[in-house]
Amino acid sequence: RKEVEQDPGPFNVPEGATVAFNCTYSNSASQSFFWYRQDCRKEPKLLMSVYSSGNEDGRFTAQLNRASQYISLLIRDSKLSDSATYLCVVNAYGNKLVFGAGTILRVKS
Amino acid sequence: NAGVTQTPKFQVLKTGQSMTLQCAQDMNHNSMYWYRQDPGMGLRLIYYSASEGTTDKGEVPNGYNVSRLNKREFSLRLESAAPSQTSVYFCASSELAGGSGELFFGEGSRLTVL
Repeated sequence: RKEVEQDPGPFNVPEGATVAFNCTYSNSASQSFFWYRQDCRKEPKLLMSVYSSGNEDGRFTAQLNRASQYISLLIRDSKLSDSATYLCVVNAYGNKLVFGAGTILRVKS
Repeated sequence: NAGVTQTPKFQVLKTGQSMTLQCAQDMNHNSMYWYRQDPGMGLRLIYYSASEGTTDKGEVPNGYNVSRLNKREFSLRLESAAPSQTSVYFCASSELAGGSGELFFGEGSRLTVL
C-alpha cells in the first residue's frame, strides 16, 4: 500500500460546481497534513494546511479524519483558474513529507 | 524576491555523463530538499539537509550525492547519469525541519538522460 494515495482523476467539472477530493494515508502516527497545488509544468505551492478540527480558506475547505486516515479538500463555486493538480502531503514517516501523486482538476466553462 | 532558484532549467545528458544541479534560497531557511517528480508517482525525496552542515538520505538516494555548501546553497550531483534518472527535479526549502512547515519550491530542472 502506498503511504499516501489519491484518486488521479481527472475530475472534469463545470464552472460554479462543488468538487471534493479525498486522500488516504497509511501511517496512523502522521501529525502534519497539507494540500499543495501544482499548475501544469510549474512548481508545487502550498494551498492550505489541514488542521484536526477542519479549516476553511475562502472557497476551500480541508478536513481530517484520523479514525479513517484520510484528508479531504472541498472546492466550492469552482473557477476556471482552479484547474490544476492538487497534491496531498503528509509527514508519513520520520520527519519527512510524503507527497501523493496528485488529483487533476479541470474546470470548464 | 527570488525565493528558491535552480539551475539549469533544462539539461540533456548522455548515459554515464555527470552533472550538478544548483539550488540557492534567499529566505534564510534552515532546511533544504531535493525531490524528483515522475508521472504518476508524485514527488519523491532524494536527499535533504535539516540544517547547514548536515545531509540525510531520503526515499530514493541511489545514484545521487549532495552538498550543503552553506546556508543558502544545496547542490545535487549525478556522478554517472542513467536513463532512469530522467525526471523533473525540484529543490525546496523550509524554515522548519521535521515536515511541519511550508515548503517553498524552485521552478524545477528538467533532465533527460539518453
